[in-house]
Amino acid sequence: KNEVEQSPQNLTAQEGEFITINCSYSVGISALHWLQQHPGGGIVSLFMLSSGKKKHGRLIATINIQEKHSSLHITASHPRDSAVYICAVWRETSGSRLTFGEGTQLTVNP
Amino acid sequence: NAGVTQTPKFQVLKTGQSMTLQCAQDMNHNSMYWYRQDPGMGLRLIYYSASEGTTDKGEVPNGYNVSRLNKREFSLRLESAAPSQTSVYFCASSERRGLEQFFGPGTRLTVL
Repeated sequence: KNEVEQSPQNLTAQEGEFITINCSYSVGISALHWLQQHPGGGIVSLFMLSSGKKKHGRLIATINIQEKHSSLHITASHPRDSAVYICAVWRETSGSRLTFGEGTQLTVNP
Repeated sequence: NAGVTQTPKFQVLKTGQSMTLQCAQDMNHNSMYWYRQDPGMGLRLIYYSASEGTTDKGEVPNGYNVSRLNKREFSLRLESAAPSQTSVYFCASSERRGLEQFFGPGTRLTVL
């Protein structure tokens, strides 16, 4: 079993829908990253959080440390949100190593 | 600011050939990382450099070497390429360990 699990693996939505991508992890962490990988391959950091909630535009990330779970929400989704969304965790004992989930492929249709 | 740059963008090698992937960042970051991304595997850390002058192995270091040339540059060398090293390679940097990482555009490497 992977230490970082994302669900769903694939998600198709209609423009305007509210989207939720989930990330569960099985190790103690100091922080969690949400990353976006564009169809062209580039990777962009969206959020880094260790507690509570962060919001940037239409994106909201939450984390529950006790339940070892994080969610990424996209409000009023748009075709340009189509990308792979990757969850990664800084493990408490790993030193410098991020552990990555396999990603969620999101497709938003017009 | 260019952020994190990588060269080349694409490369095809024959088995046994060697090459160096170059990475540079202009954000004055202390820590730099090399990852590989394979289908169904997620990103995996090859090597990292927590600060100038130091390098350490990551999850999948076999077949690779690195050099932290200065604070800006961190190169990855394949001494004798193998088909199993066919992958997309990403360089990343962060102000220090444990903080937000910024990624380069990637190098798509094919080893025949």
